[in-house]
Amino acid sequence: DAGVIQSPRHEVTEMGQEVTLRCKPISGHNSLFWYRQTMMRGLELLIYFNNNVPIDDSGMPEDRFSAKMPNASFSTLKIQPSEPRDSAVYFCASSTGTGDIRSNQPQHFGDGTRLSIL
Amino acid sequence: GQQVMQIPQYQHVQEGEDFTTYCNSSTTLSNIQWYKQRPGGHPVFLIQLVKSGEVKKQKRLTFQFGEAKKNSSLHITATQTTDVGTYFCAGVRNRDDKIIFGKGTRLHILP
Repeated sequence: DAGVIQSPRHEVTEMGQEVTLRCKPISGHNSLFWYRQTMMRGLELLIYFNNNVPIDDSGMPEDRFSAKMPNASFSTLKIQPSEPRDSAVYFCASSTGTGDIRSNQPQHFGDGTRLSIL
Repeated sequence: GQQVMQIPQYQHVQEGEDFTTYCNSSTTLSNIQWYKQRPGGHPVFLIQLVKSGEVKKQKRLTFQFGEAKKNSSLHITATQTTDVGTYFCAGVRNRDDKIIFGKGTRLHILP
């Protein structure tokens, strides 16, 4: 079975450029999560969707970050303009769920996108 | 800021020794999950605890959720080299339904 698929695996770009990260959740999963991982801050939840609707985006750092989920099989995380402090590994995860986070189910993570902003 | 503390941050043990990592929250959690991340890999789900005082076992791993649902622990008996990695707890805070990950405990096994 295909797991969560993220692309690209690695991205190196100059500050000021737009960066788009992509995620395909596991088929049948209706919750999707975007995380950022750094040594300093650990794993941080940025945003999560349930049935393609953003439920909680309070973790999105600032207006330079935006996320969309146009359909059940695709999501994007965009950074515009990018800054060196955005360098991190970005994970996408999916799970089954009702939208009530208290009944959250195990999350299946993709391999991540390692982003470096020069 | 981070309100789920994991200790220790790092742990080196001889192969065959036991290992324990602790997760402590300042507020009550509705549930807690544990994940393992191998070096260069992604977090992989291990288990979920929901009930106060719950204890679950997976072979050499024992997971516990505290009576007050603020603390949790993961204990590995007789560690093996395959146990190397970072172990994360993730809880849902009752007061605002936020998912919070601990910063993880990185386990190194000395042969």
